Amino acid sequence: GAGVSQTPSNKVTEKGKYVELRCDPISGHTALYWYRQSLGQGPEFLIYFQGTGAADDSGLPNDRFFAVRPEGSVSTLKIQRTERGDSAVYLCASSLSGGTADTQYFGPGTRLTVL
Amino acid sequence: AQSVTQLDSQVPVFEEAPVELRCNYSSSVSVYLFWYVQYPNQGLQLLLKYLSGSTLVKGINGFEAEFNKSQTSFHLRKPSVHISDTAEYFCAVLSNDYKLSFGAGTTVTVRA
Repeated sequence: GAGVSQTPSNKVTEKGKYVELRCDPISGHTALYWYRQSLGQGPEFLIYFQGTGAADDSGLPNDRFFAVRPEGSVSTLKIQRTERGDSAVYLCASSLSGGTADTQYFGPGTRLTVL
Repeated sequence: AQSVTQLDSQVPVFEEAPVELRCNYSSSVSVYLFWYVQYPNQGLQLLLKYLSGSTLVKGINGFEAEFNKSQTSFHLRKPSVHISDTAEYFCAVLSNDYKLSFGAGTTVTVRA
């Protein structure tokens, strides 16, 4: 079946602009996660959704970052007033229901470049 | 807070030779450990995971890892690598039942 998909695959923007990154999880998965992977580092947790609600947004770096999942499926990560330091690969993952035994399935990521 | 240290950033290896990727973790609570692989231009794929039970965990593509509580390690091994194993490998620990904390990654380059 279809895996996690993310669009766009690449996004180039200018400093100060607003961007939206989209994630389509595996159908039927109630848990959705966003991670950020900077160059030369492992992914870092940003936010976890259980259904429509953000159960843990402790990884969002500041209030310029926001994510929604209004219908419990597709999620959008929104970044306001982008900065060069926001350049990274943004990864989305989903799992069946969340929890220890669940496997998180990752999408291919969106590479964001802020000029 | 839980954290992961991958001791080697780059591991070159010849085809059909064995490989070991080292991972150490710090955790004060029950440990759930994972190895993911990232092939060029692809997403992260789960290789194997340790939740409980046998300390030797077998995964996909001939990989295995051993959980060692006394040494707080979860090293990944493969007895004979292929060119197709060229990729980046990430060790991760799970906290709060959902939050993965990853190491910085180990790049494996397999040469003929």
